[in-house]
Amino acid sequence: DAKTTQPPSMDCAEGRAANLPCNHSTISGNEYVYWYRQIHSQGPQYIIHGLKNNETNEMASLIITEDRKSSTLILPHATLRDTAVYYCIVRSGSGTYKYIFGTGTRLKVLA
Amino acid sequence: NAGVTQTPKFQVLKTGQSMTLQCAQDMNHEYMSWYRQDPGMGLRLIHYSVGAGITDQGEVPNGYNVSRSTTEDFPLRLLSAAPSQTSVYFCASTSPGANTEAFFGQGTRLTVV
Repeated sequence: DAKTTQPPSMDCAEGRAANLPCNHSTISGNEYVYWYRQIHSQGPQYIIHGLKNNETNEMASLIITEDRKSSTLILPHATLRDTAVYYCIVRSGSGTYKYIFGTGTRLKVLA
Repeated sequence: NAGVTQTPKFQVLKTGQSMTLQCAQDMNHEYMSWYRQDPGMGLRLIHYSVGAGITDQGEVPNGYNVSRSTTEDFPLRLLSAAPSQTSVYFCASTSPGANTEAFFGQGTRLTVV
């Protein structure tokens, strides 16, 4: 399973875009990049995922580099409720489809 | 749809006691898994199942047993609780395939004294 590397913490001003980077240099061709977040000690919440194209949904955008070795999660207009730990996960495209979590990025949105 | 339901939400055990953490999902997902989360850390995979009757070990399986007799339920058993098993436990379910999101329960906070 490919490993991911994320900065341990980031701050973002309320109303501004939050850009959370993730490095996954050992990703394989059939592995997807997933993003989840965890608010306080609740269960992780799905945000978005992608294979090689950029993706957008109502919560966020996901930008994956052409070589797929890194990605960026973008929260376009961060609010205080976006304060959470964000996990970037590479998920196997076959077999057991396991999620292997890293330590994530603790995003703090500042008023 | 209730999604993924974990019971109990909180539990205190004495060292050496046994208990079962329950996890049920109503989405007909084949894949279910158990994670533990220690303070300040990410989630670590304990055991997982790719379908009824099929289970396998994750990163930290020692001290835990699982079974999967139905698609809906995936209980986690602690045979002899130890203080090192004090943690928050999360259950998750998903459909097979790499292009499907996982759904997590709200967790069981376990303290072993």
